[in-house]
Amino acid sequence: EVVMTQSPDTLSVSPGEGATLSCRASQNVRSNVAWYQQKPGQAPRLLIYGASVRATNVPVRFRGSGSGTEFTLAITSLQPADFAVYFCLQYNTWPPRAFGQGTKVEVK
Amino acid sequence: EVQLLQSGAEMKEPGHSLKISCEVSGYSFAVYWLAWVRQTPGTGLELVGVINPTDSTVIYSPSFQGHVTMSVAKSVDTAYLQWTSLRTSDSGTYFCARLWPTSIDSYYFDFWGQGTLVTVSS
Repeated sequence: EVVMTQSPDTLSVSPGEGATLSCRASQNVRSNVAWYQQKPGQAPRLLIYGASVRATNVPVRFRGSGSGTEFTLAITSLQPADFAVYFCLQYNTWPPRAFGQGTKVEVK
Repeated sequence: EVQLLQSGAEMKEPGHSLKISCEVSGYSFAVYWLAWVRQTPGTGLELVGVINPTDSTVIYSPSFQGHVTMSVAKSVDTAYLQWTSLRTSDSGTYFCARLWPTSIDSYYFDFWGQGTLVTVSS
């Protein structure tokens, strides 16, 4: 079973600064990784699929990269709406069940 | 516009039964697999299972197998998740989500319902 490990658990960032979030897979998942943003009381929102493809209406300041076992979500110039929890998901296996534990991006 | 609208929050006692729902709109219900995902503070996001609305084929995650039942009603474009005997450990927020296929065996969740909070307590 594939395990997805995110780091760090919490990232403190000042508005306007950039943030880099990591997700590591316990085995090769090719480019089958998605990233989600979740705000309190809301459902997860798809940001990135295919490791690097932005979903519809996702701002260009969100950039996904990586393949194999190492993946990164970079957010440039954080806006107030970007402070949230971010999850990765690997979908190289069926059905997709391996979520990362989440990284909370908070205001410094 | 794709929408998944879930039923409201529930508070139940252990041993009671419960059925929650997820009504979809904005796309053809039978075309895409649907999933139920549980979220708790302790364990994060967990896949409960997935269902094919075309033929009601279901795949449960091992930790949920035998304890929950997933079903659909194609006539009303609605998916259901039910329990016959709730446990306190069933408490959490349950999301339904649509699965988007990228290949024959690679699917990710693209649209999510707003979540249903289930609280099981005596």
